[in-house]
Formats: sequence, structure tokens, C-alpha cells
Amino acid sequence: QQPVQSPQAVILREGEDAVINCSSSKALYSVHWYRQKHGEAPVFLMILLKGGEQKGHEKISASFNEKKQQSSLYLTASQLSYSGTYFCGTESDSGYALNFGKGTSLLVTP
Amino acid sequence: DAGVIQSPRHEVTEMGQEVTLRCKPISGHDYLFWYRQTMMRGLELLIYFNNNVPIDDSGMPEDRFSAKMPNASFSTLKIQPSEPRDSAVYFCASSLGSVENTEAFFGQGTRLTVV
Repeated sequence: QQPVQSPQAVILREGEDAVINCSSSKALYSVHWYRQKHGEAPVFLMILLKGGEQKGHEKISASFNEKKQQSSLYLTASQLSYSGTYFCGTESDSGYALNFGKGTSLLVTP
Repeated sequence: DAGVIQSPRHEVTEMGQEVTLRCKPISGHDYLFWYRQTMMRGLELLIYFNNNVPIDDSGMPEDRFSAKMPNASFSTLKIQPSEPRDSAVYFCASSLGSVENTEAFFGQGTRLTVV
């Protein structure tokens, strides 16, 4: 089952913040976040495993709510290099592969 | 390691022709995944293998699609016959263990155009 991402697209000025949400109708074992730049392959950002967990990677961080049905990705003081499409991934029904949301397109302008 | 290697990078073919996409995973990775990416449907999981054995092919759209992994270093995705709606970017990815705990490394993808 594909997780639901929102918003579909965001346009920011450099230095602004953004939040991308990912939700599922069922409790999840884990949430994975990937970023894909135009014409390139998706690249892993981080994984969250525990309810209530928060994890950071420079100015990009993420949280996993207590019920483990929603995750949010936070981009603070955005840089031009943050532009791309962000995907959240959740485990498939068979448990060992990821189903991805449709992605959130982020454009950071000067 | 050179990462996950896919070939060809681009493929243009006529409707009805057979298309074979190839993937070499990262050495030592136990899991191999095939994904298809389109604007409408995003990144869709087609099939994945564990230790060369297909585990879940429920994402394969039709019988026209088939995938094999004859050994730990090679996998193919075949479409026969191809149709215009198969046009998409096909990604292969591999990971060390179950993706619950490790990241998946993606190849650069094959852009398939069926005319």
C-alpha cells in the first residue's frame, strides 16, 4: 500500500523552511526518506524506526509519530541544493521492500 | 564498488518488440529490487529478490513483464511485447539486508520509450 505524501509541490525562497508529510492507514515498522534530483537516482536520507523518534541530518530532520502512522520531513533554512523530489518509503505487505509515496517536488529559488 | 549498474541508460523501441533491461547489484547485497517511475504513479515496486529468489512479484503489471536473477551479480527485466504505456524510467536497487534496517542503493535507471 502506497503511503500518502503532502504537499505535492513546494516552492521556496532560499533560507525558508518547509515540511513534507507522509502518512499511512496502518502502523508502520519504519519510514525511509529519499531525495531524487532531476535526472538522477533516488538517494537515501534517513530511516526512522521508533515511535516518537526524531533524527537530523544537517538542516534536514525527520520525525515519526508515536502511533507510527505519520512521519514528517523538516527542511530548515533551505539551500538551492535542497531542490528535488522527496519520497517517503514504507514497508510492503511482504515486509522486505519499500513502497514509495508519489513524492513531493521541492524547488528552492534564489 | 561502482554502485548499482544498469544498462542500457536509454532505450527506444517500437511497440511489439521485446525489451530487456539489465542490472548488476552491489557485490554482497542480498536484496535486489526493480522499480518503475512515471509522473502519474510515482515510484512503483515491481518485484524483488532475496538471494536470487523472487520474493514478491505482485507489482508486475502484466504477464508481459518477467524478471530473472540467474546469479548474485545479474538480473534482467524483460517486457514482451512492449506497449507505449510501458514508457517509463526503470530503476534497479540493491541493499545489504532487509530494507527495514539498511538503505537501498539505486542505479541510474533505464529510460524506456516505446513508440
